[in-house]
Amino acid sequence: KAGVTQTPRYLIKTRGQQVTLSCSPISGHRSVSWYQQTPGQGLQFLFEYFSETQRNKGNFPGRFSGRQFSNSRSEMNVSTLELGDSALYLCASSLTGSPEQFFGPGTRLTVL
Amino acid sequence: EDKVVQSPLSLVVHEGDTVTLNCSYEVTNFRSLLWYKQEKKAPTFLFMLTSSGIEKKSGRLSSILDKKELFSILNITATQTGDSAVYLCAVLYQIYNQGGKLIFGQGTELSVKP
Repeated sequence: KAGVTQTPRYLIKTRGQQVTLSCSPISGHRSVSWYQQTPGQGLQFLFEYFSETQRNKGNFPGRFSGRQFSNSRSEMNVSTLELGDSALYLCASSLTGSPEQFFGPGTRLTVL
Repeated sequence: EDKVVQSPLSLVVHEGDTVTLNCSYEVTNFRSLLWYKQEKKAPTFLFMLTSSGIEKKSGRLSSILDKKELFSILNITATQTGDSAVYLCAVLYQIYNQGGKLIFGQGTELSVKP
């Protein structure tokens, strides 16, 4: 069974631009969560989607948004990029009702 | 404020040593505690602990949870250089019985020298 996939793997943007990251969960997993990982703050929860609905949200500004499609694939969007948004963005999927989350390889975003 | 604290933050040992990594937490609506291993890429799942006092074991790794004292430990015996990684502890915070979010500790960076 294929694991969680994320595209692109690496991205370089400049301040003020916007970016869209994509995540395809493991087949059969309907819950997708997004995390931001930085050296200073560690891994922080962004949001969780289930059945095309945002179910939970972390403490990030409104510039961070996401959505989920009917096939459970999810996208995350960051608008008006800031230097501090440079991070590894990880997506994780899980089976309905299971706390075990499986992570994708991440997208490394660099904002110049 | 919900938080997960790991100690030590970094550790250097030699092959063959035994190490114990600590994770304490203060999280409302606790559901489970999970351990992950991260080596320059995505975290890979190690253990999930839900009940107190029941040891989970996988090869040289083992873990146990104490829900009364709010902590967990991860033990690695007979360490190998391939165990070098960041070990992450995360607590699943359950929200209204509809999924939840993982709250991560800072991680313990383990370096195993030959």
